[in-house]
Amino acid sequence: QQKVQQSPESLIVPEGGMASLNCTSSDRNVDYFWWYRQHSGKSPKMLMSIFSNGEKEEGRFTVHLNKASLHTSLHIRDSQPSDSALYLCAARYGSSGNKLIFGIGTLLSVKP
Amino acid sequence: AQTIHQWPVAEIKAVGSPLSLGCTIKGKSSPNLYWYWQATGGTLQQLFYSITVGQVESVVQLNLSASRPKDDQFILSTEKLLLSHSGFYLCAWSNGGASYEQYFGPGTRLTVL
Repeated sequence: QQKVQQSPESLIVPEGGMASLNCTSSDRNVDYFWWYRQHSGKSPKMLMSIFSNGEKEEGRFTVHLNKASLHTSLHIRDSQPSDSALYLCAARYGSSGNKLIFGIGTLLSVKP
Repeated sequence: AQTIHQWPVAEIKAVGSPLSLGCTIKGKSSPNLYWYWQATGGTLQQLFYSITVGQVESVVQLNLSASRPKDDQFILSTEKLLLSHSGFYLCAWSNGGASYEQYFGPGTRLTVL
């Protein structure tokens, strides 16, 4: 069964610090990864997507993908209290059409 | 710009009662539409998806059903609610065809007592 595992489960970083979140697919047939951010009581908002090996940067957010290890990571530099949220990783598998598999998420808390 | 609306915002229902949740998307023709469920403290689980009017595919069996009566509308329903149906229900859309990025609506919070 295709699974997406995220680590750590929770993370506390100081304001201005760097947050690093990890996501790994259990199935080699993955072809896209997405990162979503979900503030408490709200719906998920897409942050970034990646499907090629390497790195992609948008503002304070950087995403890495290593297809060989089926691993993606999200890095948030200069973290702000407003970044405190649940970060969800989602994967699409070549055989699954429109189905996205989500991980359980990493709960990030940025302390002033 | 596309806007997605879900109704109701929140619902408190009794076990065994019927349920109907709705989702409408404006500003986008022929979108793919999805229903997700998120239990408290749980991950997002895709329930149904639809690529066209009248066509709905079930992904997970949770004693729920879905219908797409119009191009811009997606309905989630059940005749009999269970306690386990409590949670956050999210509608999402993506462009038709081979685009997979999904965008979520504001959600409906359901409490079953």
